[in-house]
Amino acid sequence: AQSVAQPEDQVNVAEGNPLTVKCTYSVSGNPYLFWYVQYPNRGLQFLLKYITGDNLVKGSYGFEAEFNKSQTSFHLKKPSALVSDSALYFCAAYAGNMLTFGGGTRLMVKP
Amino acid sequence: KAGVTQTPRYLIKTRGQQVTLSCSPISGHRSVSWYQQTPGQGLQFLFEYFSETQRNKGNFPGRFSGRQFSNSRSEMNVSTLELGDSALYLCASSLEGTSGRNEQFFGPGTRLTVL
Repeated sequence: AQSVAQPEDQVNVAEGNPLTVKCTYSVSGNPYLFWYVQYPNRGLQFLLKYITGDNLVKGSYGFEAEFNKSQTSFHLKKPSALVSDSALYFCAAYAGNMLTFGGGTRLMVKP
Repeated sequence: KAGVTQTPRYLIKTRGQQVTLSCSPISGHRSVSWYQQTPGQGLQFLFEYFSETQRNKGNFPGRFSGRQFSNSRSEMNVSTLELGDSALYLCASSLEGTSGRNEQFFGPGTRLTVL
């Protein structure tokens, strides 16, 4: 069975500092990996995806993610956090004809 | 381009009743997926429809069903509601779902409360 893990329920970072939200996956074959963000009372918004190719993927709002096959990880990063980045972040893997989500990580960016 | 729309946004039902939720995908998108989001279980896949056919189903009881119409609009039905069905139900559409390469676009969700 495939699974996606986000080991941190919450990440706190000061505005202007770099941020990392961690994600590891366990799926068969070569997965397609995604990051989504959810703001209060809203659906999920797509940030970025890894399909194949360069291990560093750039996405919306200055976010990027690094795919590491040997560590089965797909961590989300941003060089300089904004207060408006505060939200719930989900990592997801597409395999077996379905999208499996991690449990989510709440990012809190403090001024 | 209009986004994914879901109706109604909020719904209150009592145990034993049934409910139907509606989802209109982005124009041109043929794949519609449904997810249940709860604080305890997180985001769980319910099912996916493509060209009016259910292509994949998650691990939910038969009380949860759905369908897709020729215009790609989809409905989800839950019969004999239980308290544990209280959740945010999210619909997502994508151009096509077979390869998984295309990102999914989510609607705002329907908040279902079962009393």
